[in-house]
Amino acid sequence: GGIITQTPKFLIGQEGQKLTLKCQQNFNHDTMYWYRQDSGKGLRLIYYSITENDLQKGDLSEGYDASREKKSSFSLTVTSAQKNEMAVFLCASSISTANSDYTFGSGTRLLVI
Amino acid sequence: QQQVRQSPQSLTVWEGETAILNCSYEDSTFDYFPWYWQFPRESPALLIAIRPVSNKKEDGRFTIFFNKREKKLSLHITDSQPGDSATYFCAASGSSGSWQLIFGSGTQLTVMP
Repeated sequence: GGIITQTPKFLIGQEGQKLTLKCQQNFNHDTMYWYRQDSGKGLRLIYYSITENDLQKGDLSEGYDASREKKSSFSLTVTSAQKNEMAVFLCASSISTANSDYTFGSGTRLLVI
Repeated sequence: QQQVRQSPQSLTVWEGETAILNCSYEDSTFDYFPWYWQFPRESPALLIAIRPVSNKKEDGRFTIFFNKREKKLSLHITDSQPGDSATYFCAASGSSGSWQLIFGSGTQLTVMP
């Protein structure tokens, strides 16, 4: 079986800081996603990537950059952390755009002080 | 504008009762509706899914009822167990246009022993 690994598990940053979250999958899935989860607001799509070197903006892309240099990895950068921001960032992958069954990583919990 | 809405936000039932979780959607081109469940401090995982070719999908104690005309679906959990206590997310995607999963805000289910 495969696995999606997100690093770090916990991230404490300072206001204005640039922060990078990493995600690795060994399913050989084509498509990868970054979602943000806030309490009571479900999961909101930040960026997704159909294949290596592809990047597509989701509804919540402002304030974020992403990078998909290899098929197996997808990174997300918070360009300028907002004070008191607290959220869980979830990475997911699926076989392709034709298959909507996602496998999620365990998440990165972000706190900005 | 939320494309996928869930109700109630939270639900408490007694062990052995049937829990009913509701979901509605806006986009009539959506053609795939998975439900994910998420236990505390874990990532979401696929529970059960339905396509509009059928109006019912059953997997053990979990059943999805689908009403295409009203753009509504519901997840019924019969003989609820304390181990079913989790947050349940309804999601939707379409083969044309929005193929990425769009998630509702979730229903937090508590099953009391």
